[in-house]
Amino acid sequence: DTAVSQTPKYLVTQMGNDKSIKCEQNLGHDTMYWYKQDSKKFLKIMFSYNNKELIINETVPNRFSPKSPDKAHLNLHINSLELGDSAVYFCASSPMAYGGNEQFFGPGTRLTVL
Amino acid sequence: AQSVTQPDIHITVSEGASLELRCNYSYGATPYLFWYVQSPGQGLQLLLKYFSGDTLVQGIKGFEAEFKRSQSSFNLRKPSVHWSDAAEYFCAAGIQGAQKLVFGQGTRLTINP
Repeated sequence: DTAVSQTPKYLVTQMGNDKSIKCEQNLGHDTMYWYKQDSKKFLKIMFSYNNKELIINETVPNRFSPKSPDKAHLNLHINSLELGDSAVYFCASSPMAYGGNEQFFGPGTRLTVL
Repeated sequence: AQSVTQPDIHITVSEGASLELRCNYSYGATPYLFWYVQSPGQGLQLLLKYFSGDTLVQGIKGFEAEFKRSQSSFNLRKPSVHWSDAAEYFCAAGIQGAQKLVFGQGTRLTINP
């Protein structure tokens, strides 16, 4: 009964490849997020979707393309991977797109670009 | 600009000792405040949150935090730490009308046996 799940947990790939990370939440939440955590543990929001609509896009290279087929799923596709994309990517969800809502985090996907 | 600052990157305490992790925010109005914990290899878990009212907030795992408006602070405390408390701790803030949280840089807690 995992609340927010991500696949895969680990992803190792070569520079220039294209990869996807999937996220699903079974909490019935309206809003989902993608965060990037760098090697210094700094968490930065990348995207947010509310009811399948993009509401936050934080100066992320357009090689990164989120897709939300329904409000329970938010996937992240990355084209032409670069060394600097190596990080842990977290998916999260919250009941609404509201600054006072708790966010529930997935376990993370560790991406290593060689 | 709105920001959250955790001044201590790394703190080491002995098991059984008390703990205080610092968090300062810079917002025009009082934000909603959160503390999250990230155990090694895990996602983030909410410890506690402050919206309004009583400035001393109780959370899970024996943690508490105190909101001090005059100091723009929301420090996390625990009277006696356990080895299992070793983790990364994040303070975060959100405001009404905003659609996201802003996270601090995190504080890594190490516990000495």
